[in-house]
Amino acid sequence: KAGVTQTPRYLIKTRGQQVTLSCSPISGHRSVSWYQQTPGQGLQFLFEYFSETQRNKGNFPGRFSGRQFSNSRSEMNVSTLELGDSALYLCASSLVGRGTTEAFFGQGTRLTVV
Amino acid sequence: AQKVTQAQTEISVVEKEDVTLDCVYETRDTTYYLFWYKQPPSGELVFLIRRNSFDEQNEISGRYSWNFQKSTSSFNFTITASQVVDSAVYFCALSATFNTDKLIFGTGTRLQVFP
Repeated sequence: KAGVTQTPRYLIKTRGQQVTLSCSPISGHRSVSWYQQTPGQGLQFLFEYFSETQRNKGNFPGRFSGRQFSNSRSEMNVSTLELGDSALYLCASSLVGRGTTEAFFGQGTRLTVV
Repeated sequence: AQKVTQAQTEISVVEKEDVTLDCVYETRDTTYYLFWYKQPPSGELVFLIRRNSFDEQNEISGRYSWNFQKSTSSFNFTITASQVVDSAVYFCALSATFNTDKLIFGTGTRLQVFP
Protein backbone atom coordinates (compact mmCIF):
# COMPACT_ATOMS: atom_id res chain seq x y z
CA LYS A 1 0.00 0.00 0.00
CA ALA A 2 1.56 3.28 -1.09
CA GLY A 3 2.11 5.90 1.58
CA VAL A 4 1.38 9.61 1.50
CA THR A 5 3.12 11.18 -1.50
CA GLN A 6 4.14 14.80 -1.57
CA THR A 7 5.48 16.57 -4.63
CA PRO A 8 7.82 18.16 -5.24
CA ARG A 9 10.29 17.17 -2.53
CA TYR A 10 12.35 20.33 -2.86
CA LEU A 11 11.51 23.74 -4.19
CA ILE A 12 13.35 27.05 -4.44
CA LYS A 13 11.30 30.16 -5.08
CA THR A 14 11.90 33.89 -5.11
CA ARG A 15 10.21 36.34 -2.77
CA GLY A 16 6.91 37.51 -4.19
CA GLN A 17 6.29 34.40 -6.25
CA GLN A 18 3.60 31.88 -5.54
CA VAL A 19 3.91 28.13 -5.09
CA THR A 20 1.63 25.10 -5.18
CA LEU A 21 2.40 21.93 -3.26
CA SER A 22 0.68 18.62 -3.85
CA CYS A 23 -0.29 15.77 -1.56
CA SER A 24 -1.68 12.38 -2.55
CA PRO A 25 -3.12 10.58 0.47
CA ILE A 26 -3.11 6.87 1.14
CA SER A 27 -5.74 5.15 -0.97
CA GLY A 28 -9.09 5.23 0.83
CA HIS A 29 -8.14 8.05 3.16
CA ARG A 30 -10.53 11.00 3.00
CA SER A 31 -8.91 13.42 5.42
CA VAL A 32 -5.84 15.47 4.57
CA SER A 33 -4.07 17.89 6.90
CA TRP A 34 -1.16 20.23 6.26
CA TYR A 35 1.54 21.37 8.66
CA GLN A 36 4.40 23.83 8.45
CA GLN A 37 7.64 22.95 10.24
CA THR A 38 10.29 25.58 10.95
CA PRO A 39 13.19 25.62 13.42
CA GLY A 40 11.70 28.63 15.18
CA GLN A 41 8.01 27.75 15.37
CA GLY A 42 8.14 23.96 15.24
CA LEU A 43 5.22 22.05 13.76
CA GLN A 44 2.17 24.20 13.18
CA PHE A 45 -1.20 23.17 11.81
CA LEU A 46 -2.19 24.87 8.57
CA PHE A 47 -5.49 23.36 7.54
CA GLU A 48 -7.50 20.19 7.24
CA TYR A 49 -9.76 18.94 4.48
CA PHE A 50 -12.34 16.22 4.52
CA SER A 51 -14.47 15.28 1.52
CA GLU A 52 -13.40 18.42 -0.35
CA THR A 53 -14.41 20.72 2.52
CA GLN A 54 -12.04 22.69 4.70
CA ARG A 55 -12.89 21.59 8.18
CA ASN A 56 -10.30 23.43 10.19
CA LYS A 57 -7.78 26.20 9.64
CA GLY A 58 -4.73 27.22 11.62
CA ASN A 59 -3.56 30.71 12.42
CA PHE A 60 -1.90 31.61 9.13
CA PRO A 61 -2.43 34.60 6.84
CA GLY A 62 -4.75 34.42 3.86
CA ARG A 63 -1.75 33.96 1.57
CA PHE A 64 -1.94 30.30 2.58
CA SER A 65 -4.78 28.42 0.96
CA GLY A 66 -5.62 24.89 0.04
CA ARG A 67 -8.14 22.65 -1.57
CA GLN A 68 -9.05 19.01 -1.85
CA PHE A 69 -10.24 17.22 -4.94
CA SER A 70 -12.85 14.50 -5.30
CA ASN A 71 -10.14 11.83 -5.31
CA SER A 72 -8.94 13.20 -1.93
CA ARG A 73 -5.71 14.60 -3.36
CA SER A 74 -4.93 17.97 -1.90
CA GLU A 75 -2.97 21.03 -2.89
CA MET A 76 -1.83 23.98 -0.87
CA ASN A 77 -0.91 27.32 -2.32
CA VAL A 78 1.17 30.11 -0.90
CA SER A 79 1.01 33.44 -2.70
CA THR A 80 3.38 36.39 -2.45
CA LEU A 81 6.09 34.33 -0.85
CA GLU A 82 8.10 35.78 2.02
CA LEU A 83 11.47 34.65 3.32
CA GLY A 84 9.75 33.41 6.47
CA ASP A 85 7.73 30.91 4.44
CA SER A 86 10.86 28.80 4.03
CA ALA A 87 9.95 25.58 5.79
CA LEU A 88 9.23 21.90 5.52
CA TYR A 89 5.58 21.45 4.59
CA LEU A 90 4.13 18.16 5.73
CA CYS A 91 0.92 16.54 4.64
CA ALA A 92 -0.91 13.86 6.61
CA SER A 93 -3.83 11.65 5.70
CA SER A 94 -6.21 9.58 7.75
CA LEU A 95 -9.21 7.41 7.14
CA VAL A 96 -12.05 9.49 8.57
CA GLY A 97 -10.35 12.51 10.11
CA ARG A 98 -11.87 12.43 13.57
CA GLY A 99 -8.67 12.02 15.50
CA THR A 100 -9.73 8.47 16.23
CA THR A 101 -7.29 6.94 13.82
CA GLU A 102 -3.67 7.72 13.29
CA ALA A 103 -2.57 10.21 10.69
CA PHE A 104 0.17 9.11 8.30
CA PHE A 105 2.62 11.70 7.09
CA GLY A 106 4.43 12.17 3.83
CA GLN A 107 8.11 13.04 3.54
CA GLY A 108 7.31 16.68 3.05
CA THR A 109 8.17 19.42 0.61
CA ARG A 110 11.11 21.56 1.61
CA LEU A 111 10.47 25.09 0.37
CA THR A 112 13.26 27.63 0.28
CA VAL A 113 12.39 31.24 -0.45
CA VAL A 114 15.29 33.42 -1.58
CA ALA B 1 -5.78 26.42 25.96
CA GLN B 2 -4.24 23.29 24.55
CA LYS B 3 -0.53 22.82 24.82
CA VAL B 4 2.13 20.14 24.71
CA THR B 5 5.44 20.60 26.46
CA GLN B 6 8.55 18.58 25.80
CA ALA B 7 11.08 20.10 28.14
CA GLN B 8 14.02 18.01 26.93
CA THR B 9 15.46 19.60 23.82
CA GLU B 10 18.19 17.07 23.25
CA ILE B 11 19.25 13.83 24.88
CA SER B 12 22.41 11.87 24.18
CA VAL B 13 22.89 8.30 25.30
CA VAL B 14 25.20 5.43 24.55
CA GLU B 15 23.80 2.36 22.85
CA LYS B 16 21.98 -0.09 25.17
CA GLU B 17 21.11 2.60 27.68
CA ASP B 18 17.45 3.14 28.54
CA VAL B 19 16.06 6.60 27.85
CA THR B 20 12.79 8.32 28.76
CA LEU B 21 11.32 11.19 26.79
CA ASP B 22 8.97 13.41 28.75
CA CYS B 23 5.68 14.89 27.55
CA VAL B 24 3.31 17.08 29.52
CA TYR B 25 0.03 18.27 28.02
CA GLU B 26 -2.69 20.79 28.82
CA THR B 27 -6.30 20.58 27.73
CA ARG B 28 -9.71 21.30 29.18
CA ASP B 29 -11.36 18.62 27.11
CA THR B 30 -12.35 15.38 28.78
CA THR B 31 -11.96 13.40 25.58
CA TYR B 32 -8.66 13.71 23.80
CA TYR B 33 -5.97 11.68 22.08
CA LEU B 34 -2.25 11.66 22.64
CA PHE B 35 0.32 10.63 20.08
CA TRP B 36 4.02 10.05 19.69
CA TYR B 37 5.72 10.48 16.33
CA LYS B 38 9.33 9.87 15.29
CA GLN B 39 11.00 12.09 12.70
CA PRO B 40 14.16 10.58 11.18
CA PRO B 41 16.49 12.73 9.05
CA SER B 42 14.44 11.89 5.94
CA GLY B 43 11.72 14.18 7.28
CA GLU B 44 8.49 12.22 7.44
CA LEU B 45 6.75 11.78 10.75
CA VAL B 46 6.42 8.13 11.66
CA PHE B 47 3.46 7.22 13.83
CA LEU B 48 4.39 5.34 17.01
CA ILE B 49 1.33 5.30 19.24
CA ARG B 50 -2.12 6.81 19.85
CA ARG B 51 -3.77 6.84 23.27
CA ASN B 52 -7.24 8.05 24.18
CA SER B 53 -7.93 9.87 27.42
CA PHE B 54 -10.01 7.05 28.83
CA ASP B 55 -7.31 4.43 28.54
CA GLU B 56 -4.60 4.88 31.12
CA GLN B 57 -3.09 1.46 30.67
CA ASN B 58 0.58 1.55 29.97
CA GLU B 59 1.62 0.04 26.68
CA ILE B 60 4.68 -1.88 25.61
CA SER B 61 5.71 -2.57 22.05
CA GLY B 62 9.05 -4.29 21.79
CA ARG B 63 11.68 -1.94 23.18
CA TYR B 64 9.18 0.92 23.37
CA SER B 65 6.87 1.62 26.28
CA TRP B 66 4.54 4.47 27.17
CA ASN B 67 3.38 5.68 30.56
CA PHE B 68 0.15 7.70 30.55
CA GLN B 69 -0.78 9.44 33.81
CA LYS B 70 -3.81 11.72 33.76
CA SER B 71 -3.14 12.86 37.33
CA THR B 72 0.05 14.57 36.17
CA SER B 73 -1.05 15.18 32.55
CA SER B 74 1.95 13.28 31.30
CA PHE B 75 2.52 10.78 28.52
CA ASN B 76 6.13 9.68 28.73
CA PHE B 77 7.94 7.43 26.27
CA THR B 78 10.72 5.03 27.21
CA ILE B 79 13.11 3.27 24.87
CA THR B 80 14.78 0.28 26.46
CA ALA B 81 18.24 -0.79 25.32
CA SER B 82 18.52 2.07 22.84
CA GLN B 83 20.06 1.52 19.42
CA VAL B 84 21.75 3.86 16.96
CA VAL B 85 18.72 3.54 14.68
CA ASP B 86 16.62 5.18 17.40
CA SER B 87 18.40 8.46 16.74
CA ALA B 88 15.73 10.90 15.58
CA VAL B 89 13.53 13.74 16.77
CA TYR B 90 10.53 12.55 18.74
CA PHE B 91 7.33 14.53 18.94
CA CYS B 92 4.47 14.24 21.37
CA ALA B 93 1.12 15.54 20.09
CA LEU B 94 -2.40 16.19 21.32
CA SER B 95 -5.67 15.99 19.41
CA ALA B 96 -8.36 17.47 21.56
CA THR B 97 -11.11 18.69 19.30
CA PHE B 98 -13.93 16.46 18.24
CA ASN B 99 -14.23 15.54 14.58
CA THR B 100 -10.84 16.79 13.52
CA ASP B 101 -7.37 15.49 12.87
CA LYS B 102 -5.73 18.71 14.01
CA LEU B 103 -2.66 17.89 16.07
CA ILE B 104 -0.92 20.18 18.53
CA PHE B 105 2.71 19.22 18.67
CA GLY B 106 5.35 19.68 21.30
CA THR B 107 8.69 21.16 20.29
CA GLY B 108 10.27 17.74 19.99
CA THR B 109 13.18 16.00 21.67
CA ARG B 110 16.24 15.16 19.62
CA LEU B 111 17.64 11.80 20.68
CA GLN B 112 21.18 10.88 19.73
CA VAL B 113 22.30 7.35 20.39
CA PHE B 114 26.03 6.82 20.12
CA PRO B 115 27.64 3.44 19.46
